[in-house]
Amino acid sequence: EAGVVQSPRYKIIEKKQPVAFWCNPISGHNTLYWYRQNLGQGPELLIRYENEEAVDDSQLPKDRFSAERLKGVDSTLKIQPAELGDSAVYLCASSPGTVDRDTQYFGPGTRLTVL
Amino acid sequence: LAKTTQPISMDSYEGQEVNITCSHNNIATNDYITWYQQFPSQGPRFIIQGYKTKVTNEVASLFIPADRKSSTLSLPRVSLSDTAVYYCLVGTGYSSASKIIFGSGTRLSIRP
Repeated sequence: EAGVVQSPRYKIIEKKQPVAFWCNPISGHNTLYWYRQNLGQGPELLIRYENEEAVDDSQLPKDRFSAERLKGVDSTLKIQPAELGDSAVYLCASSPGTVDRDTQYFGPGTRLTVL
Repeated sequence: LAKTTQPISMDSYEGQEVNITCSHNNIATNDYITWYQQFPSQGPRFIIQGYKTKVTNEVASLFIPADRKSSTLSLPRVSLSDTAVYYCLVGTGYSSASKIIFGSGTRLSIRP
């Protein structure tokens, strides 16, 4: 079974430029998560989808970040414009469904460097 | 919110048993406790999950006391490949009182 796929793995951009990250979850997984992980810290949840609905986006900086999961499968996270402080690893995870004891399966992440 | 507190780092030697304790004083009634392992340049990987008492699988055991305000991940006979960051996670996000919050994790270093 294929795991969570993310692309690109690495991205280097200049500040004020836009950037987008793509995630394809494990087949059949209804729940999709986007996290940001700064160096030396644990992952911080940005947004969680149940199918195509964003059910928790309280930590998403909505002035510059946006996300979509149009058909309830793959998802895109966008930053526009990027700032120096956005340099981090962006992780995508998926889990089977709305069960309290769901476990998350993470992708390898996209390492973003903003210059 | 059920935030967690873990030691920042731990050191041990190959073949030893390692116990990492996580404190979660504000755990909600419906929260499960989940531990993840993360290697450099990889996403976290699920290790074990429990609600109360003891859970054991092929890689670890999880001990949870009756008050559920802490939990201990036990790794038997560690090897060099167990060097990683270990995260304790409480909360699933499926209720307003159960936010998904990873702490800073415990950096475990195993020496020969």
